[in-house]
Amino acid sequence: GAGVSQTPSNKVTEKGKYVELRCDPISGHTALYWYRQSLGQGPEFLIYFQGTGAADDSGLPNDRFFAVRPEGSVSTLKIQRTERGDSAVYLCASSPRLSGRPIQETQYFGPGTRLLVL
Amino acid sequence: GESVGLHLPTLSVQEGDNSIINCAYSNSASDYFIWYKQESGKGPQFIIDIRSNMDKRQGQRVTVLLNKTVKHLSLQIAATQPGDSAVYFCAETYSGAGSYQLTFGKGTKLSVIP
Repeated sequence: GAGVSQTPSNKVTEKGKYVELRCDPISGHTALYWYRQSLGQGPEFLIYFQGTGAADDSGLPNDRFFAVRPEGSVSTLKIQRTERGDSAVYLCASSPRLSGRPIQETQYFGPGTRLLVL
Repeated sequence: GESVGLHLPTLSVQEGDNSIINCAYSNSASDYFIWYKQESGKGPQFIIDIRSNMDKRQGQRVTVLLNKTVKHLSLQIAATQPGDSAVYFCAETYSGAGSYQLTFGKGTKLSVIP
């Protein structure tokens, strides 16, 4: 079946602009995660959704970052007033998290959106 | 695409040899661990996982070993192939935290010499 998809694959913007990054999780996966990966580093957690609600946003670096998942499927990561330091690969992952069954924590990642802020 | 292997520890192995990639994790309370493979320009790809109640798990050509005493994970790849060339990350999570957010290690770049 289809994996996690992310659009756009690449985004170039200017400092101060607003950007939206989209994630389509694997169908039926209730848990959705956003991570950010800087060059030469491992991914770093940003935010976690269980269904429609942001259950853990402790990784968001500041209030310029916001994410939504209004219908419990597609999620959008929004970055206001972008800064050059926001340049990174933004990764989305999803996992089943089926209730009533053993917790399935395995997270499956999308290809990422490469954001470059000039 | 960009190189995810920039400034990472590198392991070079001959094709057909076995590879061992090591990882030290940080949280003694972590109870679930995953190895991911990341090729340049792609997202991390799940390889194998292990829970803290196990010390070894085998998959197809891969074995993960967990030593909780010294907070150490290793990934063994048998008969390494050119297609195994990538950056490998270990990731840990603690189920008591609720969100199962993954904490990734620094990564190791595996280069397979044909």
